[in-house]
Amino acid sequence: GAVVSQHPSRVICKSGTSVKIECRSLDFQATTMFWYRQFPKKSLMLMATSNEGSKATYEQGVEKDKFLINHASLTLSTLTVTSAHPEDSSFYICSAREPKPTGNTIYFGEGSWLTVV
Amino acid sequence: AQSVSQHNHHVILSEAASLELGCNYSYGGTVNLFWYVQYPGQHLQLLLKYFSGDPLVKGIKGFEAEFIKSKFSFNLRKPSVQWSDTAEYFCAVSITGGGNKLTFGTGTQLKVEL
Repeated sequence: GAVVSQHPSRVICKSGTSVKIECRSLDFQATTMFWYRQFPKKSLMLMATSNEGSKATYEQGVEKDKFLINHASLTLSTLTVTSAHPEDSSFYICSAREPKPTGNTIYFGEGSWLTVV
Repeated sequence: AQSVSQHNHHVILSEAASLELGCNYSYGGTVNLFWYVQYPGQHLQLLLKYFSGDPLVKGIKGFEAEFIKSKFSFNLRKPSVQWSDTAEYFCAVSITGGGNKLTFGTGTQLKVEL
C-alpha cells in the first residue's frame, strides 16, 4: 500500500544550527502534505499545510521563518528548523494525502525525533 | 476552531476485556471523524473513519466506533481486546471542506496485559 517515509527518524543538533527533515510519498503523488508536531503527552498539533509548487499555509502561532517548508516535487516535502533551540525539541510527523476518486486517504510518516542540545 | 477531547489518557485491560475509549469534539458544523492507532515504533495507521451515513462504523482488527451527533461523541469500542492491541489511540476530526486538516485528541495509551 501507499507509504509515507520520513528521514531522519532521529536527529540531534546543536543550538543555533538548522536541521532538515524530509517527508516522501513513496508510491503516490502528493499535492498536499501536512506537518504536525507532538509534545510529550500532548496531541499532534498541525503546524502547516505544504502545497506542491506554492507556499505553505501555516497555522496560527507557527513561525514561518523558523519552520521553513518546501514542497518542491509531488513526492517530497521538507521541514527545516532554522536556528534551532532546545524548546524546538519535539516529535515531528508528516502526512500526505493520496487523491482517490472515491475520497482522499491520508497516510502518516513514522515521525522524526528532534533533540536540540 | 474545533477541538477534540480524549478523557482516558491511560487504560490498562486484561486480554478478552471489552474496550471503550471516549472521544468528544467541539464544532458546530459538519465533521469527519477518525480513529488512528500507533503501535510501538510504527506509523500512525487509520483504524476507521466516519464521513456520513450509518453512524456505527466498523474498522480494521475488530474495532468499531459510533458517532452520536447529539453528544458530539465518537467513541471507539472493541468487544474483546488482545495483547497485540497495546498501542496509542488518537481520535481526530476534520471539517468537511476544510482541506483534510486534522485536529487530534491527546491520545490514549492502551496497555493490554496477558
